[in-house]
Amino acid sequence: GESVGLHLPTLSVQEGDNSIINCAYSNSASDYFIWYKQESGKGPQFIIDIRSNMDKRQGQRVTVLLNKTVKHLSLQIAATQPGDSAVYFCAENMLSGAAGNKLTFGGGTRVLVKP
Amino acid sequence: EAQVTQNPRYLITVTGKKLTVTCSQNMNHEYMSWYRQDPGLGLRQIYYSMNVEVTDKGDVPEGYKVSRKEKRNFPLILESPSPNQTSLYFCASTPSGRAREQYFGPGTRLTVT
Repeated sequence: GESVGLHLPTLSVQEGDNSIINCAYSNSASDYFIWYKQESGKGPQFIIDIRSNMDKRQGQRVTVLLNKTVKHLSLQIAATQPGDSAVYFCAENMLSGAAGNKLTFGGGTRVLVKP
Repeated sequence: EAQVTQNPRYLITVTGKKLTVTCSQNMNHEYMSWYRQDPGLGLRQIYYSMNVEVTDKGDVPEGYKVSRKEKRNFPLILESPSPNQTSLYFCASTPSGRAREQYFGPGTRLTVT
């Protein structure tokens, strides 16, 4: 598959354990914070987003936490499975103006699930 | 099947030889965009289009052109490719107003020698 990042931080997780992926964002004015998953050889895939006026949102096996005080975003994956092995990107989006039409991505974290 | 398709998936070319990477989506999305992905730099937006005949620059537009003559297609044109445009390119689409949830194509690996 494609190599999407040669110098990514890597998180190794035992299958069945919970994973926590962290992201520091830069723009306090962003309205949405988003997590994408990129499997080898594929394009990024939307996982979950959270609006800036929330601090927690849950999806299926995933939870996103937002701490605006320290500009920190995290993605928690419950009961990590081999199919969760991928690169995870956080992204920011503003609703207004030209910035409302693009995503600004972070550098990504590689998650490796050990059987 | 709802999808974004890109062609070619892999391309090796030489400096200065014009090329086009095609992108097509079958979801009737108004918004389409192009990104490049480089190690250590993540994904950066090249150009985007909010609808037919409406395009605008992203963060790294230099050396690229786009057009949006039809809603489903958004080709990326490199008039005179250079080695620093060697990268992995992604096209994406989304309904208007939902730029945070984009649907990405499978990527095009471009090498310029």
